[in-house]
Amino acid sequence: DIQMTQSPSSVSASVGDRVTITCRASQGISSWLAWYQQKPGKAPKLLIYAASSLQSGVPSRFSGSGSGTDFTLTISSLQPEDFATYYCHGGFTFGPGTKVDIK
Amino acid sequence: EVQLVESGGGLVKPGGSLRLSCAASGFTFSSYSMNWVRQAPGKGLEWVSSISSSSSYIYYADSVKGRFTISRDNAKNSLYLQMNSLRAEDTAVYYCARAPGSPEQMDTAWYFDYWGQGTLVTVSS
Repeated sequence: DIQMTQSPSSVSASVGDRVTITCRASQGISSWLAWYQQKPGKAPKLLIYAASSLQSGVPSRFSGSGSGTDFTLTISSLQPEDFATYYCHGGFTFGPGTKVDIK
Repeated sequence: EVQLVESGGGLVKPGGSLRLSCAASGFTFSSYSMNWVRQAPGKGLEWVSSISSSSSYIYYADSVKGRFTISRDNAKNSLYLQMNSLRAEDTAVYYCARAPGSPEQMDTAWYFDYWGQGTLVTVSS
């Protein structure tokens, strides 16, 4: 089974900061990776699919990159509505999540 | 507008059973794989089960294999999760989610693009 790890587990940042989250798969998964954003009490929301494709309606400050085993999600300029938990997803496995909170 | 609405959650005793439903609308249900994902209180997301568009391919997490059964009725635009022998560790919000791709062809189309609002299952005596 594929295992997914994320780092960091949490990050404190300010509005306007650039934030990068890393996801690593235990085996190569080509570009079969998605990123989701989840706010408390809400369902997850798809941000990025196929490692780097931006889901329709998602702001362009979100971007994804990587292939094989190493992937990144970047928020170029953090906005107040971006404070949330972010999950990567490959195969049948989700990463443990990265909480982005206010510094 | 794509909509997924879960129902059937509630409080059940350990060893009991529950059947979750997910009503889909706004898209051609029979063309998409469907999935169940759960989230225990204060924890991360855990994939539970996937079913291909024609029910030909079904997959389960090891944690629920042999106890849960996923099914779908394309005529009723509905997805189901029959949960038996429930345990305290099954307590979670259960989400249904749509996937453009197929679980038997893990590729770049394998992601969950629409999610329901979730239904809470509590297993407690």
